[in-house]
Amino acid sequence: TQLLEQSPQFLSIQEGENLTVYCNSSSVFSSLQWYRQEPGEGPVLLVTVVTGGEVKKLKRLTFQFGDARKDSSLHITAAQPGDTGLYLCAGAKYGGSQGNLIFGKGTKLSVKP
Amino acid sequence: NAGVTQTPKFRILKIGQSMTLQCAQDMNHNYMYWYRQDPGMGLKLIYYSVGAGITDKGEVPNGYNVSRSTTEDFPLRLELAAPSQTSVYFCASSYPDYVGVQFFGPGTRLTVL
Repeated sequence: TQLLEQSPQFLSIQEGENLTVYCNSSSVFSSLQWYRQEPGEGPVLLVTVVTGGEVKKLKRLTFQFGDARKDSSLHITAAQPGDTGLYLCAGAKYGGSQGNLIFGKGTKLSVKP
Repeated sequence: NAGVTQTPKFRILKIGQSMTLQCAQDMNHNYMYWYRQDPGMGLKLIYYSVGAGITDKGEVPNGYNVSRSTTEDFPLRLELAAPSQTSVYFCASSYPDYVGVQFFGPGTRLTVL
């Protein structure tokens, strides 16, 4: 059972465009994280959101945690080729094994110059 | 700090061979994890450990074994390699808090022929 659905699965855009990636679930999470993974490397944490409705900004990246703590979005403004990579969302479930995360399948982003 | 280190980076095995994937972390994290990542499938948890001497199965443990004799090391053993175990393997570690942020190693790309 896939508890975290990410969309779109693939995204190819031109430099300068804006985009939004979604992470949705029917489950409630105590926290949700976004990771970026580049080819040949492990995922690297971008941000953690903990409070329902929380919005965090990291330069051109804006992350939002849904009010009900079941979904999240990542918005990139004026995408650059350096943003290319696999974006993974991961949620920590209430009542789950402590420390264990549920990962989405990822969104593969390609930004062309 | 080196963070999470994994060896080897690449390995090719023949069906039925055995090998151990090494993982070490120098952040004094209690929790450690092994994942496998297949194309388009996200990260699947194989085994995890909440401390030295304590291990537990994740979502896809069949064909693998682990041990945790020290806080720093968490090796993953493949006893009888099968083509279905061809994948990229990631080790991760985290603090034992509810947020669950994980720090990943660079991965081991394993091919079983």
